[in-house]
Amino acid sequence: GESVGLHLPTLSVQEGDNSIINCAYSNSASDYFIWYKQESGKGPQFIIDIRSNMDKRQGQRVTVLLNKTVKHLSLQIAATQPGDSAVYFCAENMDTGRRALTFGSGTRLQVQP
Amino acid sequence: DAGVIQSPRHEVTEMGQEVTLRCKPISGHNSLFWYRQTMMRGLELLIYFNNNVPIDDSGMPEDRFSAKMPNASFSTLKIQPSEPRDSAVYFCASSSRLAGGLLYEQYFGPGTRLTVT
Repeated sequence: GESVGLHLPTLSVQEGDNSIINCAYSNSASDYFIWYKQESGKGPQFIIDIRSNMDKRQGQRVTVLLNKTVKHLSLQIAATQPGDSAVYFCAENMDTGRRALTFGSGTRLQVQP
Repeated sequence: DAGVIQSPRHEVTEMGQEVTLRCKPISGHNSLFWYRQTMMRGLELLIYFNNNVPIDDSGMPEDRFSAKMPNASFSTLKIQPSEPRDSAVYFCASSSRLAGGLLYEQYFGPGTRLTVT
C-alpha cells in the first residue's frame, strides 16, 4: 500500500533500555520477512529475517517475533545504543510468485543518551 | 567484498535530460533489484532481474524508465526524458537465491540521489 508520507512514527528510548518496533504486514500468505535499518544518507542494512514457519528468531541484541494470527511483526533491540538510532523498515515477500519484497513505511528510533 | 556499488552518488540534471544510473551487484549474487525512495511514497520496487533476465517490471512508473542488465556484474536504470517528479534516491540491491527459489536477504547499495530541476 501507500507509505505514510512525511511523518514517520517515532520511538524515543533512553540508552540502555530495550526497544520494541512494531509492524503490521499486509498479506497472510507472505512467507518471508526482513527487518532493515536505514541510517541517514545510507542504504537499508539487513538486520534479521524470519520465515513464516517460525514465530521467533534471535540475533545479536535483536529478536524478531512473528504473529501470523494477527499479521504482526516486531523487532526487539536489547540494551539500545545511540548507534541504533535510525529508521527501521519491515519488509515482506507479499507475492511468493513474484519473489520480491514489499516495504513498510518505517519507524524512526531515537536513542537519548 | 565491496558490497553493492552504485554510481553516481549524486546527480543533478535539468528536466528533459537523460539520466543513467549504474549498479554493480555483489559478486555471485544472481538477483538484482532497483528501488526508488521518496518521502511521500517510501521505498518502492521498480524492477528486478534474476540471472540477468527482467522478471518483474510492474513497478516501473512509465515508459520513460528503462533498465538493463547486460551481464551478471552490471545494471543500468535510465530515465529519458527526466522530470522533476523523478527526484528521489534510487537504490540498487542484490541477493542470492537458495535452492528451490527461496528468497534471501537483499543487500543494498548506498543509493543515487537524483535531483531534476
